Amino acid sequence: GEDVEQSLFLSVREGDSSVINCTYTDSSSTYLYWYKQEPGAGLQLLTYIFSNMDMKQDQRLTVLLNKKDKHLSLRIADTQTGDSAIYFCAEGNTDKLIFGTGTRLQVFP
Amino acid sequence: DTEVTQTPKHLVMGMTNKKSLKCEQHMGHRAMYWYKQKAKKPPELMFVYSYEKLSINESVPSRFSPECPNSSLLNLHLHALQPEDSALYLCASSQWTGGSILEGEQFFGPGTRLTVL
Repeated sequence: GEDVEQSLFLSVREGDSSVINCTYTDSSSTYLYWYKQEPGAGLQLLTYIFSNMDMKQDQRLTVLLNKKDKHLSLRIADTQTGDSAIYFCAEGNTDKLIFGTGTRLQVFP
Repeated sequence: DTEVTQTPKHLVMGMTNKKSLKCEQHMGHRAMYWYKQKAKKPPELMFVYSYEKLSINESVPSRFSPECPNSSLLNLHLHALQPEDSALYLCASSQWTGGSILEGEQFFGPGTRLTVL
């Protein structure tokens, strides 16, 4: 199937690190993405990784890819209240994006 | 200008109405997309246009009719919708140079929240 699974909810204290996990199903996916969606808004691309990479770092964001286990993670360092949102991973296969189920990140002071 | 705009922001329509959603971008992107997002669910692809031609239709019912009149505009015409079609409709665009559409970042608009009564 094409289900991309994420845990539903994550709650962290401001200043701590957040780790959002994603399990995808299609080993032929070329690109893997992380999107952020704030309430009532569209999706914002945070970062993406090519399938031939293991890790990508971009300021506070670190993406880890384990192709063998089809596991993708997003680590947000020094999480801020403005990071509260829903985070979607997505896998890119041919010309389509398949989105994960989404993880709601709540940051409390 | 790195913005995708969508109008209207909200739309309420009856099952016998005909309405249209509009999407516009001025980034020179040649691929444009419609997604449907139900509450607490991920976006689902509906249509993809590349160079103003429909390239992907994800088996969407004919009561949804897309149109790409030029490279900056994308419309979604709605007719005889059902209450279960109520959702957030997202438009996106990306640069495309002829390879995989996925090579370009997809920029999303804020969406139109549609309610069908």
